[in-house]
Amino acid sequence: AQTVTQSQPEMSVQEAETVTLSCTYDTSENNYYLFWYKQPPSRQMILVIRQEAYKQQNATENRFSVNFQKAAKSFSLKISDSQLGDTAMYFCAFMDSNYQLIWGAGTKLIIKP
Amino acid sequence: EAQVTQNPRYLITVTGKKLTVTCSQNMNHEYMSWYRQDPGLGLRQIYYSMNVEVTDKGDVPEGYKVSRKEKRNFPLILESPSPNQTSLYFCASRPAGGNINNEQFFGPGTRLTVL
Repeated sequence: AQTVTQSQPEMSVQEAETVTLSCTYDTSENNYYLFWYKQPPSRQMILVIRQEAYKQQNATENRFSVNFQKAAKSFSLKISDSQLGDTAMYFCAFMDSNYQLIWGAGTKLIIKP
Repeated sequence: EAQVTQNPRYLITVTGKKLTVTCSQNMNHEYMSWYRQDPGLGLRQIYYSMNVEVTDKGDVPEGYKVSRKEKRNFPLILESPSPNQTSLYFCASRPAGGNINNEQFFGPGTRLTVL
């Protein structure tokens, strides 16, 4: 069975710093999708960034980028120039061949002023 | 506005009292799903539906029922709630298929407490 592991339960950085959240996954599939979702205190789930496994180029969305290492089954999220509004839970998710999402346990990110 | 709505947003109930959490989407999505979120466990899928009248168990279906009589609605039913079902529940929907551009839209969540 596929699994997703986020090894950092909680992280905190100063505003404007860069932070990297780690995510590893286990699968025998070759084609799949990976996602990072943000959950602010409002509890709303917000899609941050997505990556197709067959694309070698790392996805980027403004201040958010990923480091996708397919062989290592690693999918880390980098947030540059962090802002107070980035404070949230961040979830890594894997979409399997049945198009179901499998979620990591989440990383609580705190941006300090 | 495209959205997934859930009701109620908060609910406190007692063991054994049947309850229903409603979920509705206005995007004509074929796929709908229910998750529960617990600290340290992330989101776990309870049930999902690929289309009307088609439902399947997710990872944690015990103690829950669903129905999909209409495309837009996917209610979650707890026939006899127990304290271990105290959790944050999310409904989600997306178009059919696993295209990466088929983003999954989430409802605002329902905080359920079973005493």
